[in-house]
Amino acid sequence: GENVEQHPSTLSVQEGDSAVIKCTYSDSASNYFPWYKQELGKGPQLIIDIRSNVGEKKDQRIAVTLNKTAKHFSLHITETQPEDSAVYFCAASKDSGYSTLTFGKGTMLLVSP
Amino acid sequence: EPEVTQTPSHQVTQMGQEVILRCVPISNHLYFYWYRQILGQKVEFLVSFYNNEISEKSEIFDDQFSVERPDGSNFTLKIRSTKLEDSAMYFCASGRGGRDQPQHFGDGTRLSIL
Repeated sequence: GENVEQHPSTLSVQEGDSAVIKCTYSDSASNYFPWYKQELGKGPQLIIDIRSNVGEKKDQRIAVTLNKTAKHFSLHITETQPEDSAVYFCAASKDSGYSTLTFGKGTMLLVSP
Repeated sequence: EPEVTQTPSHQVTQMGQEVILRCVPISNHLYFYWYRQILGQKVEFLVSFYNNEISEKSEIFDDQFSVERPDGSNFTLKIRSTKLEDSAMYFCASGRGGRDQPQHFGDGTRLSIL
């Protein structure tokens, strides 16, 4: 089955810096890659997603890049703010949004003022 | 914005007891899921449900687990005889299905087995 590896496990940045979180996946049939943000006491909230026919997607301060050949994808957050502090999970699945998600282990992002 | 709601937020149960976790998915969604997250570990898939039947399940989802959609709004996960290792956060998710339709998660039920 699919295996998703995520790095780093923790990431500390200063407010205004950029943050990058990287994931690799094993199953070349995976074609949908969402990123979720989980705040304390809450469930995962989708922040951005990308399909395998797209190399990059951007939404304001958040961008995701995908390299299908290398089977890795990354989350980029620019101009970080303290409210960006949370645990971020990458995930992979086949068949877009109705197939099961395989998650990475998560990255705890801490943005210091 | 519509949300997936889960109850209770925290459930404490004695080992060997049955527990039912409840979820109300987003109303126009057709696909329903349960995931769990053991403290400090990754979110793991348990089961998916579509058209009133299980469409996929993981090896975690053994005979002790069952799911049901008893009416048009609720989606439940039952654990028949709980074990200590069932202690985890359980998340319900729902989705419309189809291309580019993401899964939306509830805030979870923390299950503590004593």
